[in-house]
Amino acid sequence: GENVEQHPSTLSVQEGDSAVIKCTYSDSASNYFPWYKQELGKGPQLIIDIRSNVGEKKDQRIAVTLNKTAKHFSLHITETQPEDSAVYFCAASKANFGNEKLTFGTGTRLTIIP
Amino acid sequence: ETGVTQSPTHLIKTRGQQVTLRCSSQSGHNTVSWYQQALGQGPQFIFQYYREEENGRGNFPPRFSGLQFPNYSSELNVNALELDDSALYLCASSGGTSYNEQFFGPGTRLTVL
Repeated sequence: GENVEQHPSTLSVQEGDSAVIKCTYSDSASNYFPWYKQELGKGPQLIIDIRSNVGEKKDQRIAVTLNKTAKHFSLHITETQPEDSAVYFCAASKANFGNEKLTFGTGTRLTIIP
Repeated sequence: ETGVTQSPTHLIKTRGQQVTLRCSSQSGHNTVSWYQQALGQGPQFIFQYYREEENGRGNFPPRFSGLQFPNYSSELNVNALELDDSALYLCASSGGTSYNEQFFGPGTRLTVL
């Protein structure tokens, strides 16, 4: 089955700097890669996703890149703000005709230092 | 548009008991997936329901079972609770125009003593 590895497990960044979180996946058939943000006591919130026919996607301060050959994808957050502090999860799935299961990474705890 | 809701928010049970968790999917969604999230870990897929039928199952024993109702809400049932079942149980709804996107509810925190 699919295996998703995520690094780093913790990341501290000065407010205003950029943060990068990296994930690798094992199943070359995976084609959908969402990123979730989870705040304390809450469920994961979808913040951005990318499909395998796209190499990069951007939404304001958040961007995701995908390298299908190397089987890795990354989350980039620019101009970080205190409210970006949370745990971030990457995930992968083989989403074709339906909504396939998500395989998650182990999470990155991001702390923004004011 | 109503988001995904789950009940109860917290639950304490003893080993050997049975528990039922509930999830209401987001308006317009016909698929519900259940995940177990142990402390400090990523969510693990339990199973998925699509139009009232099980549509995929993860590596969980048969004492984890589920239902989906005609209004697409869903239940997760766990029998013979074990200490290791203590976790946050998340449901995610998807379908309709959201295609592959899964939207999560706030979760139910289950503690097994």
